[in-house]
Amino acid sequence: DAGVIQSPRHEVTEMGQEVTLRCKPISGHNSLFWYRQTMMRGLELLIYFNNNVPIDDSGMPEDRFSAKMPNASFSTLKIQPSEPRDSAVYFCASSLKGIGNQPQHFGDGTRLSIL
Amino acid sequence: QQQVKQSPQSLIVQKGGISIINCAYENTAFDYFPWYQQFPGKGPALLIAIRPDVSEKKEGRFTISFNKSAKQFSLHIMDSQPGDSATYFCAASQETSGSRLTFGEGTQLTVNP
Repeated sequence: DAGVIQSPRHEVTEMGQEVTLRCKPISGHNSLFWYRQTMMRGLELLIYFNNNVPIDDSGMPEDRFSAKMPNASFSTLKIQPSEPRDSAVYFCASSLKGIGNQPQHFGDGTRLSIL
Repeated sequence: QQQVKQSPQSLIVQKGGISIINCAYENTAFDYFPWYQQFPGKGPALLIAIRPDVSEKKEGRFTISFNKSAKQFSLHIMDSQPGDSATYFCAASQETSGSRLTFGEGTQLTVNP
């Protein structure tokens, strides 16, 4: 079975540019999570979706960040305009929402560097 | 109240030794406590998880001990191997929050040959 697929794996861009990160969740999973990982702040939940609907975006740092899930098999996280402090590893995870807590399956992340 | 505190930040163990990582939480509504293992360049992967109705869960060399009254839980890795060298994260969630995980700060484990 294919796991969570993220692209690109690495992104280097200049400050002010728009950045789009992509995620394909595991087929059949109906919950999707976007995380950011830095040395200083660890793993932070940015936003999560249930059945393609954003449930909690309280972790999105500011209006420059936006996320969409147009269908069950695709999600994007966009940063516009990007800033050097956005440099981090961004992870997407998916799970099957059902009775009880379900494990989250993570992709291998996108390492983002803003110059 | 949503925080999960993890210690130590880093840990060095000799091959064959026992690695112990501790976590503490405040929110008594948490009802699911997973541990994730992360290798460099990879995403976190679920290692083992426990619910508060049991005090211990063992899977191979990995054991979670859970103390509900103290609001603490720990991961024990028996017979630690160099291949266990990774970063370990504890986490907690409550079913009513849609499996939203709150992660600890992480522990970088190094197992020397």
